[in-house]
Amino acid sequence: ILNVEQSPQSLHVQEGDSTNFTCSFPSSNFYALHWYRWETAKSPEALFVMTLNGDEKKKGRISATLNTKEGYSYLYIKGSQPEDSATYLCAFRMGGYQKVTFGIGTKLQVIP
Amino acid sequence: KAGVTQTPRYLIKTRGQQVTLSCSPISGHRSVSWYQQTPGQGLQFLFEYFSETQRNKGNFPGRFSGRQFSNSRSEMNVSTLELGDSALYLCASSSDSSGGGYTFGSGTRLTVV
Repeated sequence: ILNVEQSPQSLHVQEGDSTNFTCSFPSSNFYALHWYRWETAKSPEALFVMTLNGDEKKKGRISATLNTKEGYSYLYIKGSQPEDSATYLCAFRMGGYQKVTFGIGTKLQVIP
Repeated sequence: KAGVTQTPRYLIKTRGQQVTLSCSPISGHRSVSWYQQTPGQGLQFLFEYFSETQRNKGNFPGRFSGRQFSNSRSEMNVSTLELGDSALYLCASSSDSSGGGYTFGSGTRLTVV
């Protein structure tokens, strides 16, 4: 059984705070790591697809880093806003056309 | 560019019945994956199809089946419904044969009574 673990499971921050979450995945046979944002009553939306060790991606105030050798990725949100409130999912794919396995997500609530 | 379309959006079925859910991917996307989401659980993988072939299958009983057509549209079928099948079923498509980032549909909310 392939485990993708995310921490923390939930997080409350004040508007303006910066925050980060962790995604842990198996370090062998890595192919890709995805991050998604899932807002209530909407569909999950892709944030980043990361494939190379040491990859860093950025989209506005959100950025992500990847360490495939030790099997983790961090997602950072700088200056959180209420509209950042959502569940953030990471998903891992092994090589050889294996299935994409999702973590349970980190639920972020930004308090105005 | 039209997104991923799932029909129906909501469905109520009785135990023992069967149900078919449909997913039309983004034009040009050949990979379609299905996931089940229940409260307290993450997205659980059901199937992945690529060019009409089932490439991967999750750990669900044989009551869950799927297929993909030549136009990349996909259907999943659940036979002999159980109360525990009540869930949100999400379809996701990708343009990359090796599974790049997904575009998700809005989901089908299935309630079994």
